[in-house]
Amino acid sequence: DAGVTQSPTHLIKTRGQQVTLRCSPKSGHDTVSWYQQALGQGPQFIFQYYEEEERQRGNFPDRFSGHQFPNYSSELNVNALLLGDSALYLCASSLGTGAASPLHFGNGTRLTVT
Amino acid sequence: AQSVTQPDIHITVSEGASLELRCNYSYGATPYLFWYVQSPGQGLQLLLKYFSGDTLVQGIKGFEAEFKRSQSSFNLRKPSVHWSDAAEYFCAVGPNNAGNMLTFGGGTRLMVKP
Repeated sequence: DAGVTQSPTHLIKTRGQQVTLRCSPKSGHDTVSWYQQALGQGPQFIFQYYEEEERQRGNFPDRFSGHQFPNYSSELNVNALLLGDSALYLCASSLGTGAASPLHFGNGTRLTVT
Repeated sequence: AQSVTQPDIHITVSEGASLELRCNYSYGATPYLFWYVQSPGQGLQLLLKYFSGDTLVQGIKGFEAEFKRSQSSFNLRKPSVHWSDAAEYFCAVGPNNAGNMLTFGGGTRLMVKP
């Protein structure tokens, strides 16, 4: 039973560029959430996708956008990259968006912006 | 707005010694509470969760946590630490009525001395 898979594992981009990160949820899960974890900090909620729509959003600018596909996989897009966007980006999947639905995390994509 | 504080950034314990990691939260009602562990280069693994009922909850790997409403705390404990427990530990709070996005604390890095 495959868990949450993310690609790529590492990525280096230049300021001003755009990046796309990908996530495949755990088998049987239909909801994908994205978190940003800066070095030495706890993860921060970016947004959540369910039924191909953004359902919840954290305090992140519009440069951060996402998409969910019919097979429940998801992409996170970041435009006009800033140095401060360097972080570990974690994808988490769950069955539904209910408060009692536990999140299963992938190993993350390490993004470095130079 | 909800928030989570983990007062100890680093903790070092000897193998076989007991462990307590502190977590304090701020939330208007009784939240859903979680502890996650993150090993280097890995995603987050759920150790245990509290939704309601018995305030002492058991988790995986021999961990337990106690919810104390009067102190707004949810401290993680383990009676005897193993070298493999060295990792970063995150406390998180989720709303009990509006989805499963989590607010994380800043984490506590646990080091285990042989």
